[in-house]
Amino acid sequence: EADIYQTPRYLVIGTGKKITLECSQTMGHDKMYWYQQDPGMELHLIHYSYGVNSTEKGDLSSESTVSRIRTEHFPLTLESARPSHTSQYLCASSEFFLAGEAFFGQGTRLTVV
Amino acid sequence: GENVEQHPSTLSVQEGDSAVIKCTYSDSASNYFPWYKQELGKGPQLIIDIRSNVGEKKDQRIAVTLNKTAKHFSLHITETQPEDSAVYFCAASSSSASKIIFGSGTRLSIRP
Repeated sequence: EADIYQTPRYLVIGTGKKITLECSQTMGHDKMYWYQQDPGMELHLIHYSYGVNSTEKGDLSSESTVSRIRTEHFPLTLESARPSHTSQYLCASSEFFLAGEAFFGQGTRLTVV
Repeated sequence: GENVEQHPSTLSVQEGDSAVIKCTYSDSASNYFPWYKQELGKGPQLIIDIRSNVGEKKDQRIAVTLNKTAKHFSLHITETQPEDSAVYFCAASSSSASKIIFGSGTRLSIRP
């Protein structure tokens, strides 16, 4: 079982609230990713990081922001949640120097009402 | 940019029959091709992978084939069982790539 954890698993929140989705891994991986998964199942990369103090925007434009202050931690923040942010958010990590397996967390199901 | 196309988007097979999912990739530098299975309420998990120096790899009922010349790779599941019902993603990446490129997913249903 992968050592990558996301909290919370489910979140229902009102419009305009600030939220932070947590992601932590204990594998020492340098690369970390955030994906947004729509009901049609496709995975959209919204942010990624090569390592500490590195963050990059992904292929899908997102109003969220990320930070990477520690190797093991890659939180995603929405300053002002909107109903259009309702989705499943998946965090993943992989080793930097190898093209290898990505390990996914269980995901956070976010609903903005 | 880099792209991975996956077909079909949905697949329904009779229990015991075989299922095949196909993907094509665009980046010639890709050298690693994993397949992920996502069950309901969970994140994707690796089920099998293949590197560019190999043409085929098998693990029990699951096999993957790679054609580097044509830039496509396929997942084969034989003797399908109800627990094979899930969403399957192919992906491609390289040692120098900054990210993993995923296909759009295939929802596989096994009919009893």
